[in-house]
Amino acid sequence: DTGVSQDPRHKITKRGQNVTFRCDPISEHNRLYWYRQTLGQGPEFLTYFQNEAQLEKSRLLSDRFSAERPKGSFSTLEIQRTEQGDSAMYLCASSIDRFLNTEAFFGQGTRLTVV
Amino acid sequence: GQQVMQIPQYQHVQEGEDFTTYCNSSTTLSNIQWYKQRPGGHPVFLIQLVKSGEVKKQKRLTFQFGEAKKNSSLHITATQTTDVGTYFCAGPIVGGTSYGKLTFGQGTILTVHP
Repeated sequence: DTGVSQDPRHKITKRGQNVTFRCDPISEHNRLYWYRQTLGQGPEFLTYFQNEAQLEKSRLLSDRFSAERPKGSFSTLEIQRTEQGDSAMYLCASSIDRFLNTEAFFGQGTRLTVV
Repeated sequence: GQQVMQIPQYQHVQEGEDFTTYCNSSTTLSNIQWYKQRPGGHPVFLIQLVKSGEVKKQKRLTFQFGEAKKNSSLHITATQTTDVGTYFCAGPIVGGTSYGKLTFGQGTILTVHP
């Protein structure tokens, strides 16, 4: 499968616990994005990597959130001390660095439920 | 901040009827993209429009980008049950360092009754 892969697909956690999600982008894509989607809404941008460098972070991304892309390949998104408001679908997307090309390929997402 | 609005929020049609969703941005966009998300699925890229007044067609789908590059529409002719899903428009976030960061509209949920 050559698409964007995310793991796990579903995560249920108790409030206060830490969770970590993984994203494997399409292999030749140097750009990687994390988005969050809640029910009835469009995806909201969280953060962006070009290769291993994290270049942008949304104000939506509180201090409890951290993302890494250590070797410019896969990425992880960690949420510390989860809150019920963190319950959402976390989507990873990747794209290739080409002028005017912004087509994003999304993974199937990780659905987080905080109880 | 930059806002992208879509109307309607929901649209129920009989199979064979046409469907249109409209997208409006608070700022001028360098390009606009459309995505489809099936129930339980993830957004899938449909098309990107770049030029003012651009019109593109994909079989029964027609996409338009407004002259001022602040609005767009997606029209589906003769809907089929396979068209069911949420249609999102999205535009690049102004002022960022990445051309690929997108602001999404809230989507139009399309249901098609056979």
